Amino acid sequence: DTAVSQTPKYLVTQMGNDKSIKCEQNLGHDTMYWYKQDSKKFLKIMFSYNNKELIINETVPNRFSPKSPDKAHLNLHINSLELGDSAVYFCASSHSLADTQYFGPGTRLTVL
Amino acid sequence: GQQVMQIPQYQHVQEGEDFTTYCNSSTTLSNIQWYKQRPGGHPVFLIQLVKSGEVKKQKRLTFQFGEAKKNSSLHITATQTTDVGTYFCAHPSGGSNYKLTFGKGTLLTVNP
Repeated sequence: DTAVSQTPKYLVTQMGNDKSIKCEQNLGHDTMYWYKQDSKKFLKIMFSYNNKELIINETVPNRFSPKSPDKAHLNLHINSLELGDSAVYFCASSHSLADTQYFGPGTRLTVL
Repeated sequence: GQQVMQIPQYQHVQEGEDFTTYCNSSTTLSNIQWYKQRPGGHPVFLIQLVKSGEVKKQKRLTFQFGEAKKNSSLHITATQTTDVGTYFCAHPSGGSNYKLTFGKGTLLTVNP
């Protein structure tokens, strides 16, 4: 009964590959997010969806494409992975925009 | 974009010593939230402060919001090894306060 879950937890892949990360929340929240945390622990918002509608796209390369099939799910697909994409990606949800965020366990992506 | 300055970046203390981290903004904040991220873990919401001059306590943790709502602090009394982690402040930002912007965090380590 984890509130926000992500899969996979670890992802190791070669440069140029395409990969997806999945996120699900069972909190009944309307808003979901993707954050990127780099090696210096800086948390940066990438995308936000509210009621399945894209609200925020923070100048993320278009190799990153979020998809929200329903309010409880927000997946992240990444094309043509680059070395600089290596980071921990956190999914989060909240009741409304900029409200208290509930984070998933994170996906550690390593691009070789 | 608007971002709070969080200091210090790192703090190492002996168990039993006190610890304080500060977030300072050049503009008035509608509210401020605090999160804790244990090593290898995900950010976990601690508290939200909304009112000018507000002070809230959670056991050994004391949170303050400045009178001008431009700064905030988190103080831990008599640190324990379980307090180890990175503490982030976060505040709503963007045109309609539609997203949370996180400070860069303070990494606390505690020597037993």
